[in-house]
Amino acid sequence: DIQMTQSPSSVSASVGDRVTITCRASQYIGRDLNWYQQKPGKAPNLLIFGASSLQSGVPPRFSGSGSGTDFTLTISSLQPEDLATYFCQQSFTTLVSTFGQGTKVEIK
Amino acid sequence: QAQVVESGGGLVKPGGSLRLSCAASGFTLSDYYMTWIRQTPGKGLEWVSFISGSGATIYYSDSAKGRFVISRDNANNSLSLQMSSLRDDDTGVYYCARGKPTQSFDPWGQGTLVTVSS
Repeated sequence: DIQMTQSPSSVSASVGDRVTITCRASQYIGRDLNWYQQKPGKAPNLLIFGASSLQSGVPPRFSGSGSGTDFTLTISSLQPEDLATYFCQQSFTTLVSTFGQGTKVEIK
Repeated sequence: QAQVVESGGGLVKPGGSLRLSCAASGFTLSDYYMTWIRQTPGKGLEWVSFISGSGATIYYSDSAKGRFVISRDNANNSLSLQMSSLRDDDTGVYYCARGKPTQSFDPWGQGTLVTVSS
């Protein structure tokens, strides 16, 4: 089974800070990696697909990079509305657990 | 604008049944795979079942196999998940989402809470 491991599990940063979240796959997944934002009490919302493509309507302060097994989601300048939990999802294969455990972003 | 809205969650006793529904709008349902995803305290986010646009291809997670049945009615822009033999660990928020596990999921509905408890 492919396991998706996110780090850190939580991060606290100030408005304007650069925030980086990492997602590591236990096996090769190419660029089949998506990122979601889940605000408190809401459904997940697609931010990034194919490791680095920004979903329409998502602010450009969000970016994704990586390939193979190591991936990164970066928020270039943290805003108050970015308070949320962020999940990665591998879309390389169907038959295994596909989501990371989440990274909670808090505002200092 | 594509949108999906779930309904049908609630409190059910272990061993009981529940039927979830998902109403789609803003896109042609038959053009897309649709997936039920749940978020539970124990396992986080996991896909439960997905179905092709025509309904000809269906997959279930190991935890759903033999207990849940997914179906769709493209003419009425709806998706369903019939759940039976429910267990405590099925408790969670169930989301309907456009897409399949080898794609990204977008959009998601607001979710419907299923609580399995005696």
